[in-house]
Amino acid sequence: DAGVTQSPTHLIKTRGQQVTLRCSPKSGHDTVSWYQQALGQGPQFIFQYYEEEERQRGNFPDRFSGHQFPNYSSELNVNALLLGDSALYLCASSLAGTALRDEQFFGPGTRLTVL
Amino acid sequence: DAKTTQPPSMDCAEGRAANLPCNHSTISGNEYVYWYRQIHSQGPQYIIHGLKNNETNEMASLIITEDRKSSTLILPHATLRDTAVYYCIVRVRNAGGTSYGKLTFGQGTILTVHP
Repeated sequence: DAGVTQSPTHLIKTRGQQVTLRCSPKSGHDTVSWYQQALGQGPQFIFQYYEEEERQRGNFPDRFSGHQFPNYSSELNVNALLLGDSALYLCASSLAGTALRDEQFFGPGTRLTVL
Repeated sequence: DAKTTQPPSMDCAEGRAANLPCNHSTISGNEYVYWYRQIHSQGPQYIIHGLKNNETNEMASLIITEDRKSSTLILPHATLRDTAVYYCIVRVRNAGGTSYGKLTFGQGTILTVHP
């Protein structure tokens, strides 16, 4: 059973560029959340997608946008990159309405460096 | 979500119990306590969660004080592979048992297990 997968593993961009990160959820999961983790900090919630709609959003500007596809995979797009966007971007999947273990499964992340 | 306070770092000898404290004095009645950990270069991993009763699973035990203002995560026999950042998170769950997507991570506790 494949867990959460993310691509690419590493990415280098320059200021002002745009980037797209991809996430495939764990088999059977229908909800995807994205987090940004700066060096030495805990992950910060960006947004969550369920049924192809953004359901919840953290304190991130509109430069951060996303999409969820019918197969539940998801993309995170960041426009007009800033140096401060350099971070590890984590994707987490879960199953909506789960009342059991209620855990989010995280992928290994994409390391984005903005020069 | 309620704020949590954790010590920045702790040490533990291999084979001994690791007891990681968390203070959540402003926790409200519908908030659960969750623990995740993040091993270097990996995404966070769910460990355990609870409301007011002590909980145990194959990974750890969670002890929540009667007033619910603090909790302790116990790794009964720590191994070198338990070296990680441990995050204590409090999170709302609705009456149906499901939960909202957002996980609010703090700085966590860096646990180092020594041989």
